[in-house]
Amino acid sequence: EIVLTQSPGTLSLSPGERATLSCRASQSVTSNYLAWYQQKPGQAPRLLIYGVSSRATGIPDRFSGSGSGTDFTLTISRLEPEDFAVYYCQQYDASHRTFGQGTKVEIK
Amino acid sequence: EVQLEESGGGLAQPGGSLRLSCAASGFTFSNYNINWLRQAPGKGLEWVSHISRSGTTKLYGDSVKGRFTISRDDAKKSVYLQMNSLRDEDTAVYYCARSSSTYYYADDFWGQGTLVTVSS
Repeated sequence: EIVLTQSPGTLSLSPGERATLSCRASQSVTSNYLAWYQQKPGQAPRLLIYGVSSRATGIPDRFSGSGSGTDFTLTISRLEPEDFAVYYCQQYDASHRTFGQGTKVEIK
Repeated sequence: EVQLEESGGGLAQPGGSLRLSCAASGFTFSNYNINWLRQAPGKGLEWVSHISRSGTTKLYGDSVKGRFTISRDDAKKSVYLQMNSLRDEDTAVYYCARSSSTYYYADDFWGQGTLVTVSS
């Protein structure tokens, strides 16, 4: 089973700043099956990025994903007030889906 | 409008059973795989189970294998999760989500979740 480790655990930033979130896999992720989700308190997660770098429908272009193999990054170019939330990476292979433990992006 | 609505959550005793339902609308249900995922209070996300769009492939996370069973009824546009031998650590909000090759099998739409509490 692939283990995903996200860093940092918490990111304290101000609106307008750039956020860089990391997700490292214990082994190479199959066929770029790597996604990012945003979750706000009391809400279900929302898909942001799939296939490492493709934005889901309706996701603003300030969100971008990159990486390959075992190292992946979610970048938010300029934080908007509604972007302060918890972000999870997820990988999916033939038999399992696993999530990272999450990165909380909080207002500084 | 795409909708997934979970139901069936509630309080169960350790060793007991519950059956969750996920009702879909607003899309062609038979074209999608469905996953169950859960989130314990204050914790992260955990994948629980997967059923393919044909219903032939069923997968389970290690923590629920042998205790939970997933099934689907395309005529009712619903997926079910039968949960037996419940443990305290199964306490969580349970979400159903759809996936397809369009989004590289990521979970592109989630329901709002149903809370399962296992306690004596």
